[in-house]
Amino acid sequence: KAGVTQTPRYLIKTRGQQVTLSCSPISGHRSVSWYQQTPGQGLQFLFEYFSETQRNKGNFPGRFSGRQFSNSRSEMNVSTLELGDSALYLCASSLGDPNSNQPQHFGDGTRLSIL
Amino acid sequence: GENVEQHPSTLSVQEGDSAVIKCTYSDSASNYFPWYKQELGKGPQLIIDIRSNVGEKKDQRIAVTLNKTAKHFSLHITETQPEDSAVYFCAASTLGNLIFGKGTKLSVKP
Repeated sequence: KAGVTQTPRYLIKTRGQQVTLSCSPISGHRSVSWYQQTPGQGLQFLFEYFSETQRNKGNFPGRFSGRQFSNSRSEMNVSTLELGDSALYLCASSLGDPNSNQPQHFGDGTRLSIL
Repeated sequence: GENVEQHPSTLSVQEGDSAVIKCTYSDSASNYFPWYKQELGKGPQLIIDIRSNVGEKKDQRIAVTLNKTAKHFSLHITETQPEDSAVYFCAASTLGNLIFGKGTKLSVKP
C-alpha cells in the first residue's frame, strides 16, 4: 500500500511569490492535515481537511490556505512568500473523521526555501 | 490551547541500554497521545500511540505509559540498537490536530 505522497520534494522561491504544494493521501484515507516544521518552532499544525471541508485551523496568517478535492487529495497554497516561510511542509493522512483521533501517517514533506 | 513539553532534548545511550523520553501536556481534554520517529530527510513515522482510557501499551521493544492525573506520558525503548538513532516526537490531541513536543534526538552508540 503506497504511503502519503507529497510533491514536489524541494522548491525554491523568492519573496513575494506564491507556491502550491500537493499531497496524495494513503488510499482510502479521507482526512488530510498539514504541518509546518522549522528548527525554531518545531512541528506546528496548519489546517485539516475532511470530506473537502476545512475542519480545523492552526494559528497561521491568511496567506496560508488549502483545499481538498473529492478524491481526498489536498493542496496548500502560500501567497506573498516571506523569508520566514522557509520550512519543511508535511502532510499527514488518516482514515476517518478527525474528531475520532485516527492515527495520522506522514509523507516525507516538501522542503520550501525562500530566497 | 494545548502545550506539550518534552524532555530531554538530547539523549545518548549505549547499545543495549534503555531509553526513556518524557512529555507533559496542559489540556486535560487531550485524549490521544502518539509518538513519532523522524529520520534525516524523512517525515515523522508513527511508532506507537495510546488513548486516554489506557495506562500502558507495548509493542515489542517499545512501550508508552500515560498518567492522566499528572498529565504526563513517557516512551520507553528497551535493548536499544543503532537503528533507533533518530529524533522522537511526542504529541497530544483533542480534536484531531496534533500538538507536538520539541523533539528528542536519540543517539545509540555501538
